[in-house]
Amino acid sequence: EAQVTQNPRYLITVTGKKLTVTCSQNMNHEYMSWYRQDPGLGLRQIYYSMNVEVTDKGDVPEGYKVSRKEKRNFPLILESPSPNQTSLYFCASRGGRRSDTDTQYFGPGTRLTVL
Amino acid sequence: KQEVTQIPAALSVPEGENLVLNCSFTDSAIYNLQWFRQDPGKGLTSLLLIQSSQREQTSGRLNASLDKSSGRSTLYIAASQPGDSATYLCAAMDSNYQLIWGAGTKLIIKP
Repeated sequence: EAQVTQNPRYLITVTGKKLTVTCSQNMNHEYMSWYRQDPGLGLRQIYYSMNVEVTDKGDVPEGYKVSRKEKRNFPLILESPSPNQTSLYFCASRGGRRSDTDTQYFGPGTRLTVL
Repeated sequence: KQEVTQIPAALSVPEGENLVLNCSFTDSAIYNLQWFRQDPGKGLTSLLLIQSSQREQTSGRLNASLDKSSGRSTLYIAASQPGDSATYLCAAMDSNYQLIWGAGTKLIIKP
């Protein structure tokens, strides 16, 4: 089954404790992206990757890191989480990095709480 | 900078009604306009994608239109059902191939 998987689905942590949210897609997609979704603010892009070893900042990259060492994986790293990073996080992918016909597939989301 | 707006933020209608959701964007230089559905606590599911050269797309009871000159897209849902209750988001693909998102319309279909 074609899908984007994220782990963990739920995470409660404390300020300053490094964490990684994994994202993996099995569709051989070039493009991958991370979003956070907050009430009243909608979906905001954190980072995106057009291909392996290529990553770019989105609208809200501060406090986050990503890497794209393999085509299928795009982990989101919070080196020192803070309470304002409490949010619902989504990973997404699509086939072509510069495609106007490919739809975007989303993972199920990771609900992160930073105390 | 592209801005995408969805009005209303919430809509409640009786089952069986036809309804229209609105999406507006400020910059007409888009590659496509996409509509997604989000169920509570779940990820987003793609509904329809309209390329910039197209005027509309249809899937079952859903029809999406695009008018680039006026900066508007509409999602028409025919014969609404309780299972259509969800949040509907539109997104415009900008000149950098990034999706710019509206805040969504929360739709409730009353049985």
